[in-house]
Amino acid sequence: QVTLKESGPVLVKPTETLTLTCTVSGFSLSNARMGVSWIRQPPGKALEWLAHIFSNDEKSYSTSLKRRLTISKDTSKSQVVLTMTNMDPVDTATYYCARRRFGESTFDYWGQGTLVTVSS
Amino acid sequence: DIQMTQSPSTLSASVGDRVTITCRASQSISGWLAWYQQKPGKAPKLLIYKASSLESGVPSRFSGSGSGTEFTLTISSLQPDDFATYYCQQYNTYPWTFGQGTKVEIK
Repeated sequence: QVTLKESGPVLVKPTETLTLTCTVSGFSLSNARMGVSWIRQPPGKALEWLAHIFSNDEKSYSTSLKRRLTISKDTSKSQVVLTMTNMDPVDTATYYCARRRFGESTFDYWGQGTLVTVSS
Repeated sequence: DIQMTQSPSTLSASVGDRVTITCRASQSISGWLAWYQQKPGKAPKLLIYKASSLESGVPSRFSGSGSGTEFTLTISSLQPDDFATYYCQQYNTYPWTFGQGTKVEIK
């Protein structure tokens, strides 16, 4: 059974760095042609793709947020980590991690999401 | 970045109606388009990939079509469980991008 679960702080202050962890089970982060993305959704708004990491450690980032994002993985721990620097209230959102479907850059399994609020 | 524009933003329909949602890409994405359904407080669910391929377990009343820059998601006979928000996603080019969503409401 494939599952993904996000963890991290629920509240961060402006200018702080956010670190989120996605712990996966039911598949390996070393599976070729798969990988995990982070996607966020501000309250009442649309989905926004943030970053992706493949099994070979290839990474890709949102154009607008590239300078603030770092994605990494620890295959032995089955974890994918996203850091976002210089947090702002507009970054308040539910953050999801999602598995890339085998051979297709769509997302077939998602975590439940974690709401991160940015406020002083 | 490729912009994805969905129409309409909101759609009011009744059970049994045929519903069509359109997604337009700012440049050609061939057939690299997916559709997702999202209910309040839940993660999105993959419905369609490669523009017209039905994800396993998704009811056959959902169908997708299109290529290039214009795509549609059709629900042939709307069911109570289908009232939700629908998103398209292109994966032809990085960065992958989503449409702004179409909310299907009860009429």
